[in-house]
Amino acid sequence: GDSVTQMEGPVTLSEEAFLTINCTYTATGYPSLFWYVQYPGEGLQLLLKATKADDKGSNKGFEATYRKETTSFHLEKGSVQVSDSAVYFCALSDRGSQGNLIFGKGTKLSVKP
Amino acid sequence: GAGVSQSPRYKVAKRGQDVALRCDPISGHVSLFWYQQALGQGPEFLTYFQNEAQLDKSGLPSDRFFAERPEGSVSTLKIQRTQQEDSAVYLCASSLGQGWDTEAFFGQGTRLTVV
Repeated sequence: GDSVTQMEGPVTLSEEAFLTINCTYTATGYPSLFWYVQYPGEGLQLLLKATKADDKGSNKGFEATYRKETTSFHLEKGSVQVSDSAVYFCALSDRGSQGNLIFGKGTKLSVKP
Repeated sequence: GAGVSQSPRYKVAKRGQDVALRCDPISGHVSLFWYQQALGQGPEFLTYFQNEAQLDKSGLPSDRFFAERPEGSVSTLKIQRTQQEDSAVYLCASSLGQGWDTEAFFGQGTRLTVV
């Protein structure tokens, strides 16, 4: 079945450091790919998405590019802030599905001042 | 309200007790999903509603789990005869449309602890 594998955490960075969180997927079809973020005490929020190969999703300085050849959707940010501390989830939704999401296990990011 | 609301936020149940978890989706949202999130794991799909119709319940782990959305708005997830392995955060999400590229809005979840 479909699955998502993402980098194990926790990840601890200093403010202004470069962030990469790796995500790879397995899918029988041609999925849409998402990054969701969960800030402390809050619900999951959509951070960015991409629906076809080579699409780049971006939001709040975060970017991820849909790479079909490597089945990857790595999350990057050039300069992290303390306010980016959260748990990040990579997810996919199969084309033709009702929209239910398959999530990775999540990566906890802590940014120190 | 502006977002998806879930209640209660926390629930402690004795093993064997029945529980009911409520989800108020964003008004007008057609699609509603329930997920189960075990500690240290990502959310896992339980069931899907399109309006009042339950179109997919393939993720429900046993027949002790039951969900309904009788008027196409509020939904309730019921767990009968709770077991320790049911301890998890239960998340509800809603979306305006249907399909694989539509944005889902999540509630804060209900943390269920079975003792």
